[in-house]
Order: sequence, then C-alpha cells, then structure tokens
Amino acid sequence: AQKVTQAQTEISVVEKEDVTLDCVYETRDTTYYLFWYKQPPSGELVFLIRRNSFDEQNEISGRYSWNFQKSTSSFNFTITASQVVDSAVYFCALRGGGKLIFGQGTTLQVKP
Amino acid sequence: NAGVTQTPKFQVLKTGQSMTLQCAQDMNHEYMSWYRQDPGMGLRLIHYSVGAGITDQGEVPNGYNVSRSTTEDFPLRLLSAAPSQTSVYFCASSLRGGAAFATNEKLFFGSGTQLSVL
Repeated sequence: AQKVTQAQTEISVVEKEDVTLDCVYETRDTTYYLFWYKQPPSGELVFLIRRNSFDEQNEISGRYSWNFQKSTSSFNFTITASQVVDSAVYFCALRGGGKLIFGQGTTLQVKP
Repeated sequence: NAGVTQTPKFQVLKTGQSMTLQCAQDMNHEYMSWYRQDPGMGLRLIHYSVGAGITDQGEVPNGYNVSRSTTEDFPLRLLSAAPSQTSVYFCASSLRGGAAFATNEKLFFGSGTQLSVL
C-alpha cells in the first residue's frame, strides 16, 4: 500500500526564517514519483516540483529546495528566507501505478 | 486555455438527494481523477480514469460513481448524498495515466467544488 505522511500539521515562522516541511512516504513500487503542491488561501492547487524515484539529486529553485533520500523514504521541502506570500497549505504526494496519493498537508503561516 | 473546469463552484444538498459534479478538460489528457479535501485528512482519491471507457477506484470510492465516455469529461455522481460527503471536491488531470509516465506527470487541478450536505 502507498502512504504519505506529513507529520507537521501546522508550522508558524517569522518572515525571513528558513523552514523545512517534512514528507515521509511508503511504497512497494520501484518506479514512483514524488510531488509537492502549494494551496494558497485562494484554494487552487499549484504544482511545485516532481521527482522520480531514480533521481536523488537535490533540487533548488530560487528560495525553494528539495531533499530526496530514498534510504529514509523522505522528500523534504525547504523554504529559505520565508515570506508572507509563502503562507499556504503544502501537500506532498506520491504517484505509482495509476494513483496519486497525498499527505495530510502542512499549514505554513509566515508572520511579518 | 480553459484547463480543467469544474462546475458548480458551490452546492448545497439535502440528505438523500443526488447530483453530478462536472469536470471537463480541454488538454486531451488521458488521466483524470477526483479528490475530496477534508480538514486534517489532506486530499483523498475517490476515483480515477486512465482513458475513455476506463475507470478505477481510489481510496474512498463508496457513495460515488464515475464514468468516462469521452476524453474530455469525467463527471462524479453522488447517488444519495450524506452529510459525510460534505467536502471540497477537486478534479485533476494529467497528460498520461497508468504506468506510462513518459514526459509529463504534472497534475492540473480544477478550482474545486464546495459541497455541503444538510
């Protein structure tokens, strides 16, 4: 069975702090994909990143970075120098076969 | 580009009523799916389809029916609404489905339907 766990329900930081959102997954598939999505207060889901199971390189995109470690089945997301506009719910997701399974989501609040 | 279009945006039903949530995409995507979002539960997959005429169950399929008669449309039917089905529903699509994750697995989401069952 596939499962995604985001143990942090809510995180609150002050602007300019760095913050890491944790994601742990379970799957028996050898080929799978991991995703992060952002859901701002407006409600829509915004795609942030996709990573396949054969590519463990970390990725950086501006203030965002992702750390994928197969040994610990984790795909963590770090926001550097957080901003108020980063306030949102962030979802980690796992795709294998025909299904995309989401974690419970982490609500990030960035205070000015 | 319209992308993924969901209708209606808001709906209030009485227990026992039936209704259909509409989802349409104009990107010729093979894969379409329905999720429900509940506080503390994240997004849970209800049903999905990897192509016209093919549907399968997700994590929480009970109480919902789907069909995929065309590539563009993937309606979600509530046959007899229950208060437990009060939720926000998202439709999502991607270019390819099944195991053929070739080049683009980005999932495009609709704007959501907020459903209340009284």
